[in-house]
Amino acid sequence: EVQLVESGGGLVQPGRSLKLSCAASGFTFSDYNMAWVRQAPKKGLEWVATISYDGSSTYYRDSVKGRFTISRDNAKSTLYLQMDSLRSEDTATYYCAREGLMVLFAYWGQGTLVTVSS
Amino acid sequence: DIQMTQSPASLSASLEEIVTITCQASQDIGNWLAWYQQKPGKSPQLLIYGATSLADGVPSRFSGSRSGTQYSLKISRLQVEDPGIYYCLQGYSAPYTFGAGTKLELK
Repeated sequence: EVQLVESGGGLVQPGRSLKLSCAASGFTFSDYNMAWVRQAPKKGLEWVATISYDGSSTYYRDSVKGRFTISRDNAKSTLYLQMDSLRSEDTATYYCAREGLMVLFAYWGQGTLVTVSS
Repeated sequence: DIQMTQSPASLSASLEEIVTITCQASQDIGNWLAWYQQKPGKSPQLLIYGATSLADGVPSRFSGSRSGTQYSLKISRLQVEDPGIYYCLQGYSAPYTFGAGTKLELK
């Protein structure tokens, strides 16, 4: 059974940093592209970043480019999101997601809440 | 960026009723269209991928179709467990974009 478990969320002041983790199990982690998707409170879904199966390619939405870094450790089956220079508009539940056949986000974690506030 | 225009924003339907939700892509995305259901406090669940393929474990009353750049999700006979928010997603090119969502309620 595919399992994705996010951690690392919490309350952080504007301008500070936070690092999210996503522990994967139930599949061969190094075979799949992975992504982060976020959802602001009471709002819709927004893709944040994607990393290729081997970590060689990364893609970001414009609003986080230069501030967020997606990475992975295939030996540990773990996905990361380093978030720097956080802004209030980054407040959201962050989900990690695994690709599937003809679909970017076939499996989702339960999410971790990041609140950026002074 | 590819825009996904989803409609309606909300709808209320009765048990056993047929429900249709649509997404209009701003350009050709081929079959890179997925549909998700999200219930309060839960993560999204995949319903349809490749525009028309049913995800594992999803009831057959859900179906997806495509006509050019318009995509539809149909629930053939609404059941009590179907209310929630439904989203479409284009996975054709980054930035990958979701529709704004359709809130489905039982009448």
